[in-house]
Amino acid sequence: EPEVTQTPSHQVTQMGQEVILRCVPISNHLYFYWYRQILGQKVEFLVSFYNNEISEKSEIFDDQFSVERPDGSNFTLKIRSTKLEDSAMYFCASSTFPSGRAVKGDTQYFGPGTRLTVL
Amino acid sequence: AQKVTQAQTEISVVEKEDVTLDCVYETRDTTYYLFWYKQPPSGELVFLIRRNSFDEQNEISGRYSWNFQKSTSSFNFTITASQVVDSAVYFCALSEGQTGNQFYFGTGTSLTVIP
Repeated sequence: EPEVTQTPSHQVTQMGQEVILRCVPISNHLYFYWYRQILGQKVEFLVSFYNNEISEKSEIFDDQFSVERPDGSNFTLKIRSTKLEDSAMYFCASSTFPSGRAVKGDTQYFGPGTRLTVL
Repeated sequence: AQKVTQAQTEISVVEKEDVTLDCVYETRDTTYYLFWYKQPPSGELVFLIRRNSFDEQNEISGRYSWNFQKSTSSFNFTITASQVVDSAVYFCALSEGQTGNQFYFGTGTSLTVIP
């Protein structure tokens, strides 16, 4: 069964460094998402991406964050200058309808997450 | 205001007991979608069910069942004859039909099944 993959599984970085988290969404999916989960807390939406542009973003997704689909398979989240409070599990997700046309309310399938630790 | 409330932070049951996890949602949209996800200790989010606002039929899948009641804005999840492998954090989530595709997650209910 197709699944979303994420690399690395765990990233440790120093405060102020740039990190890039990578995701490979399910191949026929059209919508891509990033969420984060601070330890012990709920999962929070960061951004959604469709047709090579951001379609929605939350207040958390400030200028320090950016997303990119550099090729036909990868979807990346970049944090330019990490802060201690960026330490969290970051989940990538993707969605589409079987017809290939993404609509609201599609099931989002999540990757296994990248645990980011900022020291 | 929270769009999804899971009032039960932690629940412990003994194996083979039934357990119900509560989820209450809030939305002004007439079209919306509700989901449950399971997060086992390994950390991934596993999709369990999707329900749209026009379908109030309850659903059963093996030992899992879901009770959707629009009148009380609730979408509760019952595990029958719980097993140790059911131990996980369970998240309820809402996607609103008019305002985009983002999911609003509840704070999760941590279920521990004691052998």
